Amino acid sequence: AQSVTQLGSHVSVSEGALVLLRCNYSSSVPPYLFWYVQYPNQGLQLLLKYTSAATLVKGINGFEAEFKKSETSFHLTKPSAHMSDAAEYFCAVSVNTGGFKTIFGAGTRLFVKA
Amino acid sequence: NAGVTQTPKFRVLKTGQSMTLLCAQDMNHEYMYWYRQDPGMGLRLIHYSVGEGTTAKGEVPDGYNVSRLKKQNFLLGLESAAPSQTSVYFCASSGSGTSTDTQYFGPGTRLTVL
Repeated sequence: AQSVTQLGSHVSVSEGALVLLRCNYSSSVPPYLFWYVQYPNQGLQLLLKYTSAATLVKGINGFEAEFKKSETSFHLTKPSAHMSDAAEYFCAVSVNTGGFKTIFGAGTRLFVKA
Repeated sequence: NAGVTQTPKFRVLKTGQSMTLLCAQDMNHEYMYWYRQDPGMGLRLIHYSVGEGTTAKGEVPDGYNVSRLKKQNFLLGLESAAPSQTSVYFCASSGSGTSTDTQYFGPGTRLTVL
């Protein structure tokens, strides 16, 4: 069975600083990985996804994530935080086992300080 | 193109009352899902549907029923609400349900059961 662990339920950065949100996965078969963002009082929307093509995936709003099989990680980064990045971020893993199965992490809330 | 919409946005129930949450999508998606979101637990799948007239259980189906009479609508019912069902409910849809498919989420319904 697959699982997702997001390290840190809350992360706080200053505006202009590097954003790093950590995600580690566990899967017995090759995984597909997603980052979704949830702005206050809204539903989740896709930031980026890894589908076994390039290991470095670029998403919307300047975010990117790198799939590292040896570390079973898919950390989300952005070089320079903006106030508008304040939101909750969810990592998710999905596998192709013939049935529907997407597992979401517990989420990391990002705070951006002026 | 409204995407995924949910009705109502907020609801307060007393223990034992029943209600139905409505989800509608205008993207002609085959797959639809109901999740609940609780603090520190991410999203958990309640039920899902792979097409009109079909439904299947997810991770936490107890106490809920669903119906997919029309392709564009997916209803979630609570027959006898319990305080443990206090949560934020999200509906989502996707085109094919494959492991790499993006899910599109509605804005959520915040339900409180007293």
